[in-house]
Amino acid sequence: EDQVTQSPEALRLQEGESSSLNCSYTVSGLRGLFWYRQDPGKGPEFLFTLYSAGEEKEKERLKATLTKKESFLHITAPKPEDSATYLCAVQASGAQKLVFGQGTRLTINP
Amino acid sequence: DADVTQTPRNRITKTGKRIMLECSQTKGHDRMYWYRQDPGLGLRLIYYSFDVKDINKGEISDGYSVSRQAQAKFSLSLESAIPNQTALYFCATRRAESPDTQYFGPGTRLTVL
Repeated sequence: EDQVTQSPEALRLQEGESSSLNCSYTVSGLRGLFWYRQDPGKGPEFLFTLYSAGEEKEKERLKATLTKKESFLHITAPKPEDSATYLCAVQASGAQKLVFGQGTRLTINP
Repeated sequence: DADVTQTPRNRITKTGKRIMLECSQTKGHDRMYWYRQDPGLGLRLIYYSFDVKDINKGEISDGYSVSRQAQAKFSLSLESAIPNQTALYFCATRRAESPDTQYFGPGTRLTVL
């Protein structure tokens, strides 16, 4: 069974304090790994798709990386507006659905 | 205007009532999805549709039904609501061709008393 585990469940940082969020996955052939950002009371907002080990993508202060077993979302010099829950999801080859992790709730204090 | 809209945004109902949640999209995507989100459980797939004639059950379809009225509209119904269906419900869309990215609506917060 395809599974996604995100850690930590919650992370509190000071503004400017860089860190990483982890997404570990087991899947029967990876078609894609997705990162989303979700603000309270809103729908998930797409950030990145990664397709193969070694791939990296960046957007502003965020950088996503992928290995054969996990993905990291690195956040560099975060600002309070980066506070949100970050969701990771995988899609297996030949599958139509996404399997989501429980998310990491990130809080950036000014 | 938002690409994916959901109505209502909030709904409080009683056990046994029939409820319909609606989703509309202007992205021109073929594929539409319904998810529910519960604290600590992440997002789980209820139903998905590839076009108006192709509807498929997800991992938690019991107690739910759907209707794809048009390419742009996908409705989720709870025939007889029960308290454990209290959750956030999200509609998502994606185009058939790669990339496989799904785009989510703003959600409906449903409370069943």
